[in-house]
Amino acid sequence: KAGVTQTPRYLIKTRGQQVTLSCSPISGHRSVSWYQQTPGQGLQFLFEYFSETQRNKGNFPGRFSGRQFSNSRSEMNVSTLELGDSALYLCASSLEGNGEKLFFGSGTQLSVL
Amino acid sequence: GDSVTQMEGPVTLSEEAFLTINCTYTATGYPSLFWYVQYPGEGLQLLLKATKADDKGSNKGFEATYRKETTSFHLEKGSVQVSDSAVYFCALSDYNFNKFYFGSGTKLNVKP
Repeated sequence: KAGVTQTPRYLIKTRGQQVTLSCSPISGHRSVSWYQQTPGQGLQFLFEYFSETQRNKGNFPGRFSGRQFSNSRSEMNVSTLELGDSALYLCASSLEGNGEKLFFGSGTQLSVL
Repeated sequence: GDSVTQMEGPVTLSEEAFLTINCTYTATGYPSLFWYVQYPGEGLQLLLKATKADDKGSNKGFEATYRKETTSFHLEKGSVQVSDSAVYFCALSDYNFNKFYFGSGTKLNVKP
């Protein structure tokens, strides 16, 4: 069974640009969550989708958005990039999204110059 | 709100030494508790979990016991190996909201 797949693996953008990250969950998993990982802040919860609906949202500005498609694949979008958005963005999927264990992808490393 | 606090690293040990990484939590309900491990260049992998008070999670020689009275979930291993070098994250989950709270991570370096 394939694991959680995130693309691209690395991204370099400049301030003001926008970016879209993609995540394919494990087959059959309906919940997809996104986390931002930085050396200083650790893992910060961005949002969670279940059956194409956003169920939970963390404390991030509206520049961060996401969506989930009918096949459970998810995308995350960041508009008007800032230097502070440089981070590893991790996607995680779970079967039913009821607090059971998460399966993480390897992440997308975003650098904003 | 819910939160997790874990000891800061890095922790440097010699091979076969005893490991303890402290983790305490704050939660309003009855969360499940987890330890995840992250190897260089990879995402997080579940190491072990416990879903209720006094449960002990164990895997690959690592153990942690869910202590409700002290709100703790300390990670232990009797004899570490070089291959255990990684970053370890303590986490809790809210059943109702499928929202996970992670500690800041503790880097473990094991020297031969």
